[in-house]
Amino acid sequence: RKEVEQDPGPFNVPEGATVAFNCTYSNSASQSFFWYRQDCRKEPKLLMSVYSSGNEDGRFTAQLNRASQYISLLIRDSKLSDSATYLCVVNGDDSSYKLIFGSGTRLLVRP
Amino acid sequence: EPEVTQTPSHQVTQMGQEVILRCVPISNHLYFYWYRQILGQKVEFLVSFYNNEISEKSEIFDDQFSVERPDGSNFTLKIRSTKLEDSAMYFCASSVFTVTDTQYFGPGTRLTVL
Repeated sequence: RKEVEQDPGPFNVPEGATVAFNCTYSNSASQSFFWYRQDCRKEPKLLMSVYSSGNEDGRFTAQLNRASQYISLLIRDSKLSDSATYLCVVNGDDSSYKLIFGSGTRLLVRP
Repeated sequence: EPEVTQTPSHQVTQMGQEVILRCVPISNHLYFYWYRQILGQKVEFLVSFYNNEISEKSEIFDDQFSVERPDGSNFTLKIRSTKLEDSAMYFCASSVFTVTDTQYFGPGTRLTVL
């Protein structure tokens, strides 16, 4: 089983659409969970951390289900500028600083 | 807003040559990292560094690789004898301290080995 697994997409949606990405991770000892965004040939940039209680930042909502080892990201009212690859990221375990990246889900928002 | 910076942005080298990639982490951060991303693949962890020591490394980080913090601001990755398969984007990152702290990434150095 892959350490962090994501649907590669691409998700092709119109502006204004709501889109959801899912991710599963294999190590139940992981303690930190993130969504990063990566534009083509650029560095990963933190979109949001993910907490057990769920958290929201503007149009973005992240959820974590530790029992199922499942992380989600919901983007509402998609903008053209949301087009990017969204990376699901977890840390190695409760003592590890290593980040483990998924392969990413590509989002294309069309006019 | 403080940023991680990296130089050079692009490095071209011949197979077997040594390269040094440079990074300036965010000034109050204590943990430093190197990751790499081969074109079309996922980002992979190489090494983490704290208090002038390697704290964790991956299987990729073999004897050909080394890291150093030569002064109070720079953090370097050296590849002693480059191979074709070392061609990748190399990202430096830094974080404040704890395991749950966000890691902030630099813009990367694209290494091309010919």
